[in-house]
Amino acid sequence: GQNIDQPTEMTATEGAIVQINCTYQTSGFNGLFWYQQHAGEAPTFLSYNVLDGLEEKGRFSSFLSRSKGYSYLLLKELQMKDSASYLCAQVGSSNTGKLIFGQGTTLQVKP
Amino acid sequence: GAGVSQSPRYKVAKRGQDVALRCDPISGHVSLFWYQQALGQGPEFLTYFQNEAQLDKSGLPSDRFFAERPEGSVSTLKIQRTQQEDSAVYLCASSLGFRTRDGTYEQYFGPGTRLTVT
Repeated sequence: GQNIDQPTEMTATEGAIVQINCTYQTSGFNGLFWYQQHAGEAPTFLSYNVLDGLEEKGRFSSFLSRSKGYSYLLLKELQMKDSASYLCAQVGSSNTGKLIFGQGTTLQVKP
Repeated sequence: GAGVSQSPRYKVAKRGQDVALRCDPISGHVSLFWYQQALGQGPEFLTYFQNEAQLDKSGLPSDRFFAERPEGSVSTLKIQRTQQEDSAVYLCASSLGFRTRDGTYEQYFGPGTRLTVT
């Protein structure tokens, strides 16, 4: 199977920068997604990486290293509303696009 | 435009009852996925449709779980003889297709149905 590992919980201060790491199995790699999920709500798309390097979107950036099986999500200028679960997901099949999710990282932003 | 909708949002069932969960994907989306999310965990894949064809049902946990998408739009996930371990949030997601030139289409998720089996 495919194991996606990410920390269970993180805490950071409003205005700061936080990096959420994710490791995955490199065999059969077809791309990696990051989703944000507020409690009781639907996951919403943040980023997609299929090539090595950094993708920047406003306050959020995502990095991928295919050789290391490693990705991170970088959140800058943290706001209270960023308190949520962040889900790392690997594309599990190139034929269907189904996603294999990690357990999620619960981020708590404190004033 | 409208996103993915699911109904009901909450469902309480007694053990042994059958339930049916509905998903309305974004209009024109070819791909539809069902995921199961236990409390404090990430979603787990259940099944995948491309239009009306169920191409992958490898994640369905038992033969009590059945999904259909007869006209290639609305989908229903049915659970027969519900058990307590079926208690979870059931998420539906849709996407335009499954593969672009540059990678994989993003999936748009519905708000989920929270199923509680008592």
